[in-house]
Amino acid sequence: GIQVEQSPPDLILQEGANSTLRCNFSDSVNNLQWFHQNPWGQLINLFYIPSGTKQNGRLSATTVATERYSLLYISSSQTTDSGVYFCAVERKNDYKLSFGAGTTVTVRA
Amino acid sequence: KAGVTQTPRYLIKTRGQQVTLSCSPISGHRSVSWYQQTPGQGLQFLFEYFSETQRNKGNFPGRFSGRQFSNSRSEMNVSTLELGDSALYLCASSLLTGGSTDTQYFGPGTRLTVL
Repeated sequence: GIQVEQSPPDLILQEGANSTLRCNFSDSVNNLQWFHQNPWGQLINLFYIPSGTKQNGRLSATTVATERYSLLYISSSQTTDSGVYFCAVERKNDYKLSFGAGTTVTVRA
Repeated sequence: KAGVTQTPRYLIKTRGQQVTLSCSPISGHRSVSWYQQTPGQGLQFLFEYFSETQRNKGNFPGRFSGRQFSNSRSEMNVSTLELGDSALYLCASSLLTGGSTDTQYFGPGTRLTVL
């Protein structure tokens, strides 16, 4: 199956700091999605981004499909940004999502 | 619109029993996918249903099964429970307008503990 690697595995930030999370994948993909899982387990879709750049408030994401990676940017982090960020990809003609292991983000006040 | 709902939220079972979990998708969504999340294996795809048909399945034993009803609600069943089946089971719904996976909207999950 397709390999999805996320880095770093853990990230500790001071409130107000900026950060970049990375997702590398091993094969061509139909789509890529970023999710945030809060401490209560709820997964929220952040971006559907098979290629290009999107922004949503303090979050933005860029996927360079030809080079098989995606980046998630968090600016001016807040304590509510804490949780686990997952990258998930769908390999071409596979029609199912494969998740990375996640990046655990802790934002301290 | 109401979000994805899952019932029950928590379950405790013993080895050898079977369990049925339920998922109601967002109104208008016809695709329902199921995932298992464990500390050791992470998030893994179980199966996806669309219009009452299984569209895709992951690499899980036959003890894991599912179905979808005409109103798009879905159930998954795990028979002959094993300790390793203890996990958070997540359901996600999507519109599925084309062939590939659409934006997934997740429910709160069912936490299953097998004793």
